[in-house]
Amino acid sequence: EPEVTQTPSHQVTQMGQEVILRCVPISNHLYFYWYRQILGQKVEFLVSFYNNEISEKSEIFDDQFSVERPDGSNFTLKIRSTKLEDSAMYFCASSEPSGGATGANVLTFGAGSRLTVL
Amino acid sequence: GEDVEQSLFLSVREGDSSVINCTYTDSSSTYLYWYKQEPGAGLQLLTYIFSNMDMKQDQRLTVLLNKKDKHLSLRIADTQTGDSAIYFCADRSGNTPLVFGKGTRLSVIA
Repeated sequence: EPEVTQTPSHQVTQMGQEVILRCVPISNHLYFYWYRQILGQKVEFLVSFYNNEISEKSEIFDDQFSVERPDGSNFTLKIRSTKLEDSAMYFCASSEPSGGATGANVLTFGAGSRLTVL
Repeated sequence: GEDVEQSLFLSVREGDSSVINCTYTDSSSTYLYWYKQEPGAGLQLLTYIFSNMDMKQDQRLTVLLNKKDKHLSLRIADTQTGDSAIYFCADRSGNTPLVFGKGTRLSVIA
């Protein structure tokens, strides 16, 4: 079964450092997403991406964050200068065009990248 | 903004039924979803229900939707130890992003 893969599975970084989290979405999916989950908190939406541009972003997704699809397969999340409160599990997801056959717009998630900022 | 609430923990004996509850605030939700997260794994879609339905059954899983009360439940029949995981309720309105709850940790006691 097709899956979304994320790397690294765990990254430890110093405050102020730049971090890039990588994702390979499912190949025929056209919508891409980043979510995050701070320990013990809800899974929160960060950003959605379609047709090589951001389609929606949350208040969390400030100027420190950026996303890119550098080639036909990767989708990256960059945090420019990490803060302690960026420590979280970051999930990448992708979905089919136009909600898929059912219109339910089912998101397929990766296993997550745990970011620890010291 | 929209909110989704779930109880954080549920413990059941193997073979019993589990019922995980969720409430949401968005009256214009179109789809509601249940995702499962096993240790070290991503969020795996279990099932979803369209907002004009009140029940959906899929093998051991039964989803009940009370749209008037904005209440969603997931029943797992004959719960097994392999069902131990965190279960997330999520809702979506139109093309807006999924809104998740905090997740319910289900522990199955053998």
